[in-house]
Amino acid sequence: AQRVTQPEKLLSVFKGAPVELKCNYSYSGSPELFWYVQYSRQRLQLLLRHFSRESIKGFTADLNKGETSFHLKKPFAQEEDSAMYYCALIRANSKLTFGKGITLSVRP
Amino acid sequence: EPEVTQTPSHQVTQMGQEVILRCVPISNHLYFYWYRQILGQKVEFLVSFYNNEISEKSEIFDDQFSVERPDGSNFTLKIRSTKLEDSAMYFCASSFDTRDGYTFGSGTRLTVV
Repeated sequence: AQRVTQPEKLLSVFKGAPVELKCNYSYSGSPELFWYVQYSRQRLQLLLRHFSRESIKGFTADLNKGETSFHLKKPFAQEEDSAMYYCALIRANSKLTFGKGITLSVRP
Repeated sequence: EPEVTQTPSHQVTQMGQEVILRCVPISNHLYFYWYRQILGQKVEFLVSFYNNEISEKSEIFDDQFSVERPDGSNFTLKIRSTKLEDSAMYFCASSFDTRDGYTFGSGTRLTVV
C-alpha cells in the first residue's frame, strides 16, 4: 500500500528564512510525487511534480529514493508563501494519495 | 488557464436528504475524481472515473454514494441519504494523464444538519 507521511503539522518561520517541508513515502514501486499548495480559502493547486525537476515560486523538491523522501525547500521564505502544503503520491494507474498536510506560516 | 468548476460552493442539507454535487472538469481531460476533506483532517480519496465507469473507489465510497457523467461535460457526486458525518469539503478533480497531476476545483462545502 502507498502512504505519504508529513511528520509536522505546522512550520512557522520569519520572512527570509529557509524553509524545508518534510515528506516521506512508502511504496514498493516507482512513485510519482507531487506537492500541492492551498492558499487560504482557495483550491488545491499543483506546485511541483518530481519528474519535471522544475522550480516554482522558488520552491524545489528532490526525490531521494534511498531515504524515500521528497522534501520541499525554499531558501528564502516570503509572506505570500503562507499556506497549507500537501505532499502526494501516485502509483501506476491509481489515485493520488495525500499526506496530512503542513501549515506554513511566514511572519514579517 | 482552464479550470475545474464546482457548484454549489456551499450546500446545507438536512440529515437523510439526497444531495448532488456538480463538477465541470476540464474539457479534454479523461480522468475524473472526487475527494473530500473533513474539517481539520487530510484530503481523502473517494472515487476515480475513467471511460464512463468507476476505476477505483475507497472504503468511504459506500452504497450511499454514486457518480455519473450524464452528458459528457458534467461529473456529479450523489449522496443518497446524508449523514452528519458527511459534512466536509468535497473536491472534484480531473487530469488528462495521471503523470500530469490533477487539477482541482474550488470545492463544495457540504453541511449536514
